[in-house]
Amino acid sequence: AQKVTQAQTEISVVEKEDVTLDCVYETRDTTYYLFWYKQPPSGELVFLIRRNSFDEQNEISGRYSWNFQKSTSSFNFTITASQVVDSAVYFCALNTGNTGKLIFGQGTTLQVKP
Amino acid sequence: NAGVTQTPKFQVLKTGQSMTLQCAQDMNHEYMSWYRQDPGMGLRLIHYSVGAGITDQGEVPNGYNVSRSTTEDFPLRLLSAAPSQTSVYFCASSFTGAAEKLFFGSGTQLSVL
Repeated sequence: AQKVTQAQTEISVVEKEDVTLDCVYETRDTTYYLFWYKQPPSGELVFLIRRNSFDEQNEISGRYSWNFQKSTSSFNFTITASQVVDSAVYFCALNTGNTGKLIFGQGTTLQVKP
Repeated sequence: NAGVTQTPKFQVLKTGQSMTLQCAQDMNHEYMSWYRQDPGMGLRLIHYSVGAGITDQGEVPNGYNVSRSTTEDFPLRLLSAAPSQTSVYFCASSFTGAAEKLFFGSGTQLSVL
């Protein structure tokens, strides 16, 4: 079975702190795709990143970075020098094989205080 | 381009009523899907479609019907609304499938009394 677990329900940090959002996934497939989406207070869902199972290189985009480790089935997301605008719910998601199903984790609510 | 358009944005139903949530995309995407979002449960897939005339069930399909007669439209029908269907519903699409970046609609907040 495919599953995504985001164990951190809520995280609160002070602006400029670094914060890491954890994502652990389960699948028996060798080909799969991992995603992060952001849902700001306005409610829309915004795509952040997509990773395939054959590419374990870490990715950095501005203050955002992602650490993909197949050995621990994790795809963690770090925000460096957090800002109030980073306050949102963040979802990790998994697609396996070539199915039409994208499985989401429960989401982590990040609050960045000024 | 409008992207993915969902209507209505808000809806209140009484138990037993039926209604259709509309979803349309103008990006010529083959793949479309419906999710519901509930507190503490993330987004759960209701139904999806990989092209016109093709639909399949997701994780939580009971109580919902879909059809895909055109590439652009993917309506979600609630046959007999129940309070357990109170949720926020999102429609999403991508070029070919769930392994790609999804484009989401703005959501429909549904309350069933």
